[in-house]
Amino acid sequence: NAGVTQTPKFRVLKTGQSMTLLCAQDMNHEYMYWYRQDPGMGLRLIHYSVGEGTTAKGEVPDGYNVSRLKKQNFLLGLESAAPSQTSVYFCASSFTLDTQYFGPGTRLTVL
Amino acid sequence: GQQLNQSPQSMFIQEGEDVSMNCTSSSIFNTWLWYKQEPGEGPVLLIALYKAGELTSNGRLTAQFGITRKDSFLNISASIPSDVGIYFCAGPGRDDKIIFGKGTRLHILP
Repeated sequence: NAGVTQTPKFRVLKTGQSMTLLCAQDMNHEYMYWYRQDPGMGLRLIHYSVGEGTTAKGEVPDGYNVSRLKKQNFLLGLESAAPSQTSVYFCASSFTLDTQYFGPGTRLTVL
Repeated sequence: GQQLNQSPQSMFIQEGEDVSMNCTSSSIFNTWLWYKQEPGEGPVLLIALYKAGELTSNGRLTAQFGITRKDSFLNISASIPSDVGIYFCAGPGRDDKIIFGKGTRLHILP
């Protein structure tokens, strides 16, 4: 039982490049979330999903897209990366609107 | 919108001291969650509270669900070096979202 895993762990992009971050959970959770964490800002919700095939915007959705084609996976896409998207990205999942289990994070730098 | 305010923002304490931190909101929460994030890791749940007035312990950690349902407290007794990290409070908000506070960063001096 791996819990929540995130791929990749680190990535460096140039401005304008695109990439996809993958989150996978093996706990059969309905809810999945993508957060970004910047120094002094806590966790800010980007997008979330309450079930397979559903997605919704969070607090800071601009510049990101998501897809939840399979219940166990939640993908976060950056179509045209900007330096302001340099951050640590965390994925989380939960069975209900309650305890969230977090992945180890992806550290992204955009030059 | 709903917000959770944590205080203090950071703490510097001596090893062995007790620690107290709190989380307040202008709106009522029905669940309070406390997470700890160690450097380079994702947050991990420490304690979940579901009832006003509830007092729950997890080892040296004790958390309380405030009677007004607008606040919660976390205490750590006899701090040790591995207690270093960021402590977040959280609670379910509207629209299937969990609201997080900005965290209390705990530093322990040798």
